[in-house]
Amino acid sequence: EIVLTQSPATLSLSPGERATLSCRASQTIDIYLAWYQQKPGQAPRLLIYDASKRATGIPARFSGSGSGTDFTLTISSLEPEDFAVYYCYQRKTWPPLTFGGGTKVEIK
Amino acid sequence: QVQLVESGGGVVQPGGSLRLSCEASGFSYSSYGMHWVRQGPGKGLEWVSFIWYDGSKTYYADSVKGRFTISRDNSKNTLSLEMNSLRDEDTAVYYCARGPHQPLNLDHILDLWGQGTLVTVSS
Repeated sequence: EIVLTQSPATLSLSPGERATLSCRASQTIDIYLAWYQQKPGQAPRLLIYDASKRATGIPARFSGSGSGTDFTLTISSLEPEDFAVYYCYQRKTWPPLTFGGGTKVEIK
Repeated sequence: QVQLVESGGGVVQPGGSLRLSCEASGFSYSSYGMHWVRQGPGKGLEWVSFIWYDGSKTYYADSVKGRFTISRDNSKNTLSLEMNSLRDEDTAVYYCARGPHQPLNLDHILDLWGQGTLVTVSS
């Protein structure tokens, strides 16, 4: 099973600041990594797939990078609606498909 | 409107059974593989199960193998999860999610999710 480790667990930032979230895989997953955003009481929403491709309707301030075992989600300038929990997810090797433990982006 | 709507959640005693449903609309349901993903209270996301577009193949997480059964009815655009021998640790919000456009595509990019249904296992 591929384990995804996200850091930090919590990121405290102000609107307008840049957010950098990390995800590390326990073994190589090439580019088969996605990022999801989840707000309280809502389902996860796909942001990025295949490491760097934005999903339909996702604003350009969200970008993804990385390959192999190390990946990054960057939010260039935080909007009020971006404060949420973010999960990384791998589909390289399954079953099982696996998710990271999440990073909470909170208002400082 | 492209959407997934889950139902069937509720409170069940340990050892009991429950059947969840997910109704799809607005897309060609019979062409997509489908997943169940769950989220325990205050916890992260856990993949549970996957079924091929035609129901011919199924896959399960070790934590539910032998207790849960995924199935689908393409004539009714519905996905189901039969859950037996339920345990406290099965308490979670259960989401259905759209998987790959099959049969040629096997990219498990979960791009459409339902709103979830809550299952509580408690005596």
